[in-house]
Order: sequence, then structure tokens, then C-alpha cells
Amino acid sequence: GQSLEQPSEVTAVEGAIVQINCTYQTSGFYGLSWYQQHDGGAPTFLSYNALDGLEETGRFSSFLSRSDSYGYLLLQELQMKDSASYFCTPGKDSSYKLIFGSGTRLLVRP
Amino acid sequence: DAGITQSPRYKITETGRQVTLMCHQTWSHSYMFWYRQDLGHGLRLIYYSAAADITDKGEVPDGYVVSRSKTENFPLTLESATRSQTSVYFCASTEGVRAGYTFGSGTRLTVV
Repeated sequence: GQSLEQPSEVTAVEGAIVQINCTYQTSGFYGLSWYQQHDGGAPTFLSYNALDGLEETGRFSSFLSRSDSYGYLLLQELQMKDSASYFCTPGKDSSYKLIFGSGTRLLVRP
Repeated sequence: DAGITQSPRYKITETGRQVTLMCHQTWSHSYMFWYRQDLGHGLRLIYYSAAADITDKGEVPDGYVVSRSKTENFPLTLESATRSQTSVYFCASTEGVRAGYTFGSGTRLTVV
């Protein structure tokens, strides 16, 4: 079977740091991806973690612990434009097929 | 222009009608996907394709048909539209999971 858990909503202040956690159970797991989606828009790819550890891309970092079936997305120096939904998507086997959950809605306040 | 395009952007149809949503990508990506997005359900995979003439079901395939005769096109057909198929439909393609999916702009379908 497969399960995926993320907080449904997170609120943070502009300029702050926020962490969005993700726990998953996926047979044949081989990597964790993160996507961002603004209201009315299409999802866009943020990052991919194949191995344990931290991957940094500008203000965004993504972490994976395969042994804990856990990952997180870290957003630094929050900006108003970061208000969006964020999806963690565990990959399964080698099918390139990603399963998206309901995501985390991030609201950045002034 | 390079990219992935969906058409139409908006569609209203009546219950029972057949509807086809189009998806075209210019990168020659092998993998293509169709997702639907409803409020409170996130994105759900309908069908995917690993190459031309190779397709497989996702999480919610009932009521949908796909074909992929050419690498660049991946149309999604609703054989007999129902109100429960009112949704936003996204097509995506990828050259590999590390590179991420690229999504089209979506088709907002309303079945009345």
C-alpha cells in the first residue's frame, strides 16, 4: 500500500523560515520530489532527493531520510509570492509515476 | 514554441457527451501523464504512458480512455461525460523523475 502525510495548512510571516514535513509509506520507494502550485496555476517542479541528506536550491532546501520515510521542504527568507500549495511526491519503482497527495497550503503573511 | 500545451483551456459539455482533451509536448519526452485536480483531493493520476503505444492506468482511470500513437501527443477522452468528471485536468511530461515533471496549463472542464 501507499500513504502520504503532510500538514494541510501552514502559516508563516514574511522573511521567516518555514519547514513543511512529509512522511510516506511507499513500496519500491526510490526518491522524493517536491512541487509548488499557485492558485489557478499548474504545479512546478522544485526539487528531487534520491539519497539521504539536504539538497539546496536558492532559498529552498529539501531533506530526505529514507530510513525514517521522512522528508521536508525548507523555505527561507519567505516572500509573499511563496504563498502556494506544496506537494511532496514519493516515487515508486522505476515507473516515473508520481502520486500526489492533497499538499500543504502555505500562507505567508506580511 | 517548445513546451507542453493543453487544449482547450476551458470546456463546458453536457452529461453523456464524448469529450477529448488534447496534450502536446515538443521535447520528445517518453513519459506523459494525465492528472485531475479537485478541491480537497489534490492531484490524482488518471493514466500515464511510458512511450508511444504504451499506456497504463493510474489511480482513477474509470470513464477515461487514452491513446498515444505519436510520442508528442497524449489525448484524454471522456467517453460519456458525467458531472463527477467536472475538474481541472493537467497533462505532464518528463524525461526522468530527477528532472521533474513539466505540467501543461490545465483544462478546466465543466460537465452540466
